[in-house]
Amino acid sequence: DVKVTQSSRYLVKRTGEKVFLECVQDMDHENMFWYRQDPGLGLRLIYFSYDVKMKEKGDIPEGYSVSREKKERFSLILESASTNQTSMYLCASSLEGGGNSPLHFGNGTRLTVT
Amino acid sequence: AQSVTQPDIHITVSEGASLELRCNYSYGATPYLFWYVQSPGQGLQLLLKYFSGDTLVQGIKGFEAEFKRSQSSFNLRKPSVHWSDAAEYFCAVGGGGTGFQKLVFGTGTRLLVSP
Repeated sequence: DVKVTQSSRYLVKRTGEKVFLECVQDMDHENMFWYRQDPGLGLRLIYFSYDVKMKEKGDIPEGYSVSREKKERFSLILESASTNQTSMYLCASSLEGGGNSPLHFGNGTRLTVT
Repeated sequence: AQSVTQPDIHITVSEGASLELRCNYSYGATPYLFWYVQSPGQGLQLLLKYFSGDTLVQGIKGFEAEFKRSQSSFNLRKPSVHWSDAAEYFCAVGGGGTGFQKLVFGTGTRLLVSP
């Protein structure tokens, strides 16, 4: 089974802090994704990566950046955390980039920015 | 661009009763369709997927879904709900075009199961 591990289940950070969310997958998947999940809004794609050192903006990239130095690891960075970034963050990976490739999700990181 | 609508925010079903969760999609060609489930405090788990062929697909945990092209729908069903099915359910659509394709998710339906 694919395992996608997010390093933190809960994080509390202060406004203006730089925040790193880490995600590791163990199935040699090419593609990795970061979503945020908010009540009533479903999942919204922040960034994705289809190869090492490659990244693409999703639907809501503002205020975020990402890093993919190794195939198995995909980091989400909040350059200067703000209260409107309080949310559940979900990392996912997929084997292929086609629309027919299911996503495998981590358990999420609930971030609170105070 | 593709889109997904899940018209029901919450649904309450009695344990043992049947369940149907609605999903309507918009996509210009044949879509790839998915249902995911999210238990409290967990990530999303794939329940089932439709790519082509038989329009009735079976998934895990006794769930099934039917693709109806004429109605642009992919509704999720279960004949008898168990208390452990209480969770949030997400429908998603992917495109079949060339190049990298993203999945688009609906806003989810929260299922409550009453005794």
